[in-house]
Amino acid sequence: GQQVMQIPQYQHVQEGEDFTTYCNSSTTLSNIQWYKQRPGGHPVFLIQLVKSGEVKKQKRLTFQFGEAKKNSSLHITATQTTDVGTYFCAGSRGGSNYKLTFGKGTLLTVNP
Amino acid sequence: DSGVTQTPKHLITATGQRVTLRCSPRSGDLSVYWYQQSLDQGLQFLIQYYNGEERAKGNILERFSAQQFPDLHSELNLSSLELGDSALYFCASSVDRGPWTEAFFGQGTRLTVV
Repeated sequence: GQQVMQIPQYQHVQEGEDFTTYCNSSTTLSNIQWYKQRPGGHPVFLIQLVKSGEVKKQKRLTFQFGEAKKNSSLHITATQTTDVGTYFCAGSRGGSNYKLTFGKGTLLTVNP
Repeated sequence: DSGVTQTPKHLITATGQRVTLRCSPRSGDLSVYWYQQSLDQGLQFLIQYYNGEERAKGNILERFSAQQFPDLHSELNLSSLELGDSALYFCASSVDRGPWTEAFFGQGTRLTVV
């Protein structure tokens, strides 16, 4: 079945440092979504990417979708303590396949 | 507040028992998704309903079942509970019939099986 691998599992940074999490799929994806889950909270949608090579920015967050549509990354510039949480990627194969497969997430902690 | 309501927030029950988790989607959303989140398995997709019909099935055990009612709320039934079923169960809703639009998650139901 479809697998979505996410690395690293954990990342601890000093406030102001950059952070990147990577997502790799065993199959070509139709779309990929990114979610953030704060400690004790629920996943919150950040963004969706659908085009090969797509790059989207949200303030300090940059999302990329690979050319082959099998990998994606989330980069945070100059982390802040408010960035703490687990970042999940989730991919779908599209067509008649309606499953959204989540990676296991990257837990980001930020030292002030 | 995502607009998705899940009840109860916490549930403690004994092995072998049966429980029902309830989800009310955002107003206007026709799709309801159920996910199980545990420390070692991450977010596992269980099942999706769209406008009352089952649309997609994930890693849902035979002891688990779900349904979506005409008013679009959904229930997840877990029976013959085992210790390993202890987890956070999330419901999410979206307007579309597939996973190509934003999904809004509820606060979750934390199930503890003792």
